[in-house]
Amino acid sequence: EDQVTQSPEALRLQEGESSSLNCSYTVSGLRGLFWYRQDPGKGPEFLFTLYSAGEEKEKERLKATLTKKESFLHITAPKPEDSATYLCAAPSTGFQKLVFGTGTRLLVSP
Amino acid sequence: EPEVTQTPSHQVTQMGQEVILRCVPISNHLYFYWYRQILGQKVEFLVSFYNNEISEKSEIFDDQFSVERPDGSNFTLKIRSTKLEDSAMYFCASKSGSNQPQHFGDGTRLSIL
Repeated sequence: EDQVTQSPEALRLQEGESSSLNCSYTVSGLRGLFWYRQDPGKGPEFLFTLYSAGEEKEKERLKATLTKKESFLHITAPKPEDSATYLCAAPSTGFQKLVFGTGTRLLVSP
Repeated sequence: EPEVTQTPSHQVTQMGQEVILRCVPISNHLYFYWYRQILGQKVEFLVSFYNNEISEKSEIFDDQFSVERPDGSNFTLKIRSTKLEDSAMYFCASKSGSNQPQHFGDGTRLSIL
């Protein structure tokens, strides 16, 4: 069964304190790995797609990387506005449904 | 930037009543989805829709659920006889191509009393 696991469940950082979020997956024939940001009461907002091991994508203070078994979302010098839940998702066979992890709740304090 | 819009933002319904959740996907998108998120839990797939038919559905999507794309812009989810356990956030998503990212609306919070 396709599965996506994220850690940690929650992460509290001081402003400027860099860290990484982990996403491990067991999906047969991976066809991409997606990162989303979700603010309270909102829908997931697309951040990145990674398609192959070794690929990296960057957006402002965020950088996503992919290996054969896991993905990392690195947050460099975070700001309070980066506080959100970060979701990782992988498409199942046939590019249909996305299988989501439970997310990492990030809180960045000033 | 184009976005997926969902209405209403909050729907309160008595158990056993029918409810229709509405979505306007991004205009040039071809693949459409419904997901739900029960409070504190992960986002779960309900159904996917492509070329005017259901392409995949989950175990959650039983006979009480149906989807429709009545015209070129709307995509609806109907629950015929709601149960307490249907209370959740329901998200609509769409994408333009088979290996493109899905873009989500801000959801409808469904509360069943």
